[in-house]
Amino acid sequence: GEDVEQSLFLSVREGDSSVINCTYTDSSSTYLYWYKQEPGAGLQLLTYIFSNMDMKQDQRLTVLLNKKDKHLSLRIADTQTGDSAIYFCADANQAGTALIFGKGTTLSVSS
Amino acid sequence: DGGITQSPKYLFRKEGQNVTLSCEQNLNHDAMYWYRQDPGQGLRLIYYSQIVNDFQKGDIAEGYSVSREKKESFPLTVTSAQKNPTAFYLCASSRVDGGVEAFFGQGTRLTVV
Repeated sequence: GEDVEQSLFLSVREGDSSVINCTYTDSSSTYLYWYKQEPGAGLQLLTYIFSNMDMKQDQRLTVLLNKKDKHLSLRIADTQTGDSAIYFCADANQAGTALIFGKGTTLSVSS
Repeated sequence: DGGITQSPKYLFRKEGQNVTLSCEQNLNHDAMYWYRQDPGQGLRLIYYSQIVNDFQKGDIAEGYSVSREKKESFPLTVTSAQKNPTAFYLCASSRVDGGVEAFFGQGTRLTVV
């Protein structure tokens, strides 16, 4: 079945860039998504990328998509302590009826 | 304001009891979803519904049941058959045309003792 994989932890210093990586198996998706979860809360959509794009920039966020390698990344520029959270990569299932999530990457930002 | 509301935020139940988690949305979305989140496991899909009076099993439906009698509501019942019910439960909704960008509620943390 479909699968989405992410590394589990990333630790950076305030002001540095963070890069969170994701690989996925289903190549038929129209969109790929990044969500953010703060402690004890639901998920908040951060950004998404259309599958025919290679890159999307949205303020401090840059999403890169390599369809050949089925690799998605999220770069956060000038990382702040408020960016500390769990970040989830998500892809639609084969039927296109629901999102499949990775296990999430916990980003820890130290000052 | 449009949104998706889950209640209660915290729920405690004794082992062997059924419990129902509420999820309501006023976004006029056709599709609704239930996910379970355990530490280090990410989100796993329990059930989803794309239209009123119809729903589909996700990856971990055993021990759970749902209903979709109204577009706005998609309650989840955790039955006594669910072996490890203690978890964080997240409800989401989305349109069915275009992408399946989902909007999430704030979650219900269920603890079974």
